[in-house]
Amino acid sequence: GAGVSQSPSNKVTEKGKDVELRCDPISGHTALYWYRQSLGQGLEFLIYFQGNSAPDKSGLPSDRFSAERTGGSVSTLTIQRTQQEDSAVYLCASSVDGGNQPQHFGDGTRLSIL
Amino acid sequence: DAKTTQPPSMDCAEGRAANLPCNHSTISGNEYVYWYRQIHSQGPQYIIHGLKNNETNEMASLIITEDRKSSTLILPHATLRDTAVYYCIVRVAFRGGSNYKLTFGKGTLLTVNP
Repeated sequence: GAGVSQSPSNKVTEKGKDVELRCDPISGHTALYWYRQSLGQGLEFLIYFQGNSAPDKSGLPSDRFSAERTGGSVSTLTIQRTQQEDSAVYLCASSVDGGNQPQHFGDGTRLSIL
Repeated sequence: DAKTTQPPSMDCAEGRAANLPCNHSTISGNEYVYWYRQIHSQGPQYIIHGLKNNETNEMASLIITEDRKSSTLILPHATLRDTAVYYCIVRVAFRGGSNYKLTFGKGTLLTVNP
């Protein structure tokens, strides 16, 4: 079946530009997560959506980062006024619910800020 | 979540079984053992999880010791495509709190050789 889909797979942009990253979760999964992974580093949690509940935004590194999830399905992560330290792989995951069910990841968006 | 310890690297011959150990001596009664892997340039891939009984799926088997202080992930017939970093993590079983925030340690780099 279809897994988590992310687009674009790669994004190169100039410092100061805004970027939007898209995530299409597995159909029927109510929980959606955004992480980022810098080169050779572990996962850094960014934000979590579960059904109609208020999202957990505690991992967003600054107010330049925002995310929304429309209709309980597709999610968009937006980074405004990008900085070079934002360069990383942005990973999206979804799970059946927000409990101990396994999270299934997309292949990420590799973001490079020049 | 309990801390896990894994060897930094292992080698395995193609077609042979790969046995990846994980120590989680401080695991508590409500924590599951999860295994993920990450192939270069791809997102993390869920493999298997279990609480105390041994588990098997189409990808692998998970053997958990009776005292639950360690476990072994078994890939029965390793292929070159199984070369990846394998992560063992433990997570609490109940929904709630922030147990949905995945973190990976250093993991084990499994290299399958022809």
